[in-house]
Amino acid sequence: DSGVTQTPKHLITATGQRVTLRCSPRSGDLSVYWYQQSLDQGLQFLIQYYNGEERAKGNILERFSAQQFPDLHSELNLSSLELGDSALYFCASSVAGTSSDNEQFFGPGTRLTVL
Amino acid sequence: KNQVEQSPQSLIILEGKNCTLQCNYTVSPFSNLRWYKQDTGRGPVSLTIMTFSENTKSNGRYTATLDADTKQSSLHITASQLSDSASYICVVSGNTGGFKTIFGAGTRLFVKA
Repeated sequence: DSGVTQTPKHLITATGQRVTLRCSPRSGDLSVYWYQQSLDQGLQFLIQYYNGEERAKGNILERFSAQQFPDLHSELNLSSLELGDSALYFCASSVAGTSSDNEQFFGPGTRLTVL
Repeated sequence: KNQVEQSPQSLIILEGKNCTLQCNYTVSPFSNLRWYKQDTGRGPVSLTIMTFSENTKSNGRYTATLDADTKQSSLHITASQLSDSASYICVVSGNTGGFKTIFGAGTRLFVKA
C-alpha cells in the first residue's frame, strides 16, 4: 500500500458526460501528479500540482482540468468525454516538486470506461 | 529532445531464468534514474533509484546498473519467478529547462512456468 488513495476505483459513463476523479496524497507529500494509461500503453503525464499551485503540464487535453485543494487532495475533471478517454488514471504523490530525490508513490488508479 | 527508450518492448522467459532489460536516455543534465515495476492494472512501484555517481543498485533479485557516460541503464532479474511478470518502466529525471521526469514506454515481461 503506497499511502495514496484514489476514488472511485471504477467509473462507467457515457460519451459527452463529465466525471471527477479524486486523489489523496501520502501524508506529508506536497506534490500530486496525474497520469493517463490507455490499454497496453505507457504512462502519459497529464499535470502536476505542488502545494496547491500548478507546477508542470504534460499532454493534458483542454477538456481536462485539475486542481489541488488546501488539504492537498486533488481532483481531475474530465468533460465532454469521448470513447478514447477510456483508460486507467493514476495519481502519484511526492514530497517535493523539484527535489532530485523525487520518488513518486502511485495510487491504485481509477479505471474509466466511456460507452 | 529528452527521451527515454526501453528495449525490448516485450520479453518471454521461463521461470528460473535470468533476463536483462535495457534503458537508453538522452535527458541532460541528469539527476536520477528509477526503475518501476507495474503489475497489470495496478500503480507502478519503485524498485531502485540511482544518481549520477552510482553504478549499481540491488533490490533482492533485481539489480540495476547505470553508465552515465553512455546514458544507459539496465535492470537484471535473477532467477525469475512467475510474479515477476509485469511491465518494467525506466524513469529519468533531470533539470533540463525546468525539472522534468520522463517515463519510458516500459518493457513487458512474461515469465512462464
